[in-house]
Amino acid sequence: QSALTQPPSASGSPGQSVTISCTGTSSDVGGYNYVSWYQQHPGKAPKLMIYEVTKRPSGVPDRFSGSKSGNTASLTVSGLQAEDEADYYCSSYGGSNNVIFGGGTKLTVL
Amino acid sequence: EVQLVESGGGLVQPGGSLRLSCAASGFTFSSYEMNWVRQAPGKGLEWVSYITGSGSIIYYADSVKGRFTISRDNAKNSLYLQMNSLRAEDTAVYYCARGPGSAVGYWGQGTLVTVSS
Repeated sequence: QSALTQPPSASGSPGQSVTISCTGTSSDVGGYNYVSWYQQHPGKAPKLMIYEVTKRPSGVPDRFSGSKSGNTASLTVSGLQAEDEADYYCSSYGGSNNVIFGGGTKLTVL
Repeated sequence: EVQLVESGGGLVQPGGSLRLSCAASGFTFSSYEMNWVRQAPGKGLEWVSYITGSGSIIYYADSVKGRFTISRDNAKNSLYLQMNSLRAEDTAVYYCARGPGSAVGYWGQGTLVTVSS
């Protein structure tokens, strides 16, 4: 299966909102509510920010929210802060007992 | 506090083998699904393999099927990845990660595997 499609980059000014998309197919993103989003700062391990499309793990600010429509999932970061600058990856259960990641989006806070 | 500490990475020639280990602490290891996820230098994340808490169910990515073997020793709170017939494209940081593959909540710091002659 192919990787999920994410824009290579996104940006916004402090306080603004930015949305990152993650496009798959009906066999992965569109077929299951098992989409997750990870934040990764340079040289660090990824951190789970959203799971099962909309759920936030304990400790993740409510500025981070997830949604899905058809074969496209989205991560919205509201009230952008400098520390939100990082790489963001989506993932989805891909059916056939595998997991697919997106190519990643570099979020820049201007 | 949940801790996952990988070890065993290093430089290996193409066609060679390497065994990665992950020492887990801070939780009841046998109760949790575990995964290996890798990241090639400057690239994105790639799920590699999954194992249930009991070790009875195992899955692999197509890219490593038949070459890699995931296992665990719950008595030693340890997860392993035996990697055989290594290729240049297997060069990556390998992360040990806890949770269902679709929502990995805890990650180790990673261990670098370099496949090169």
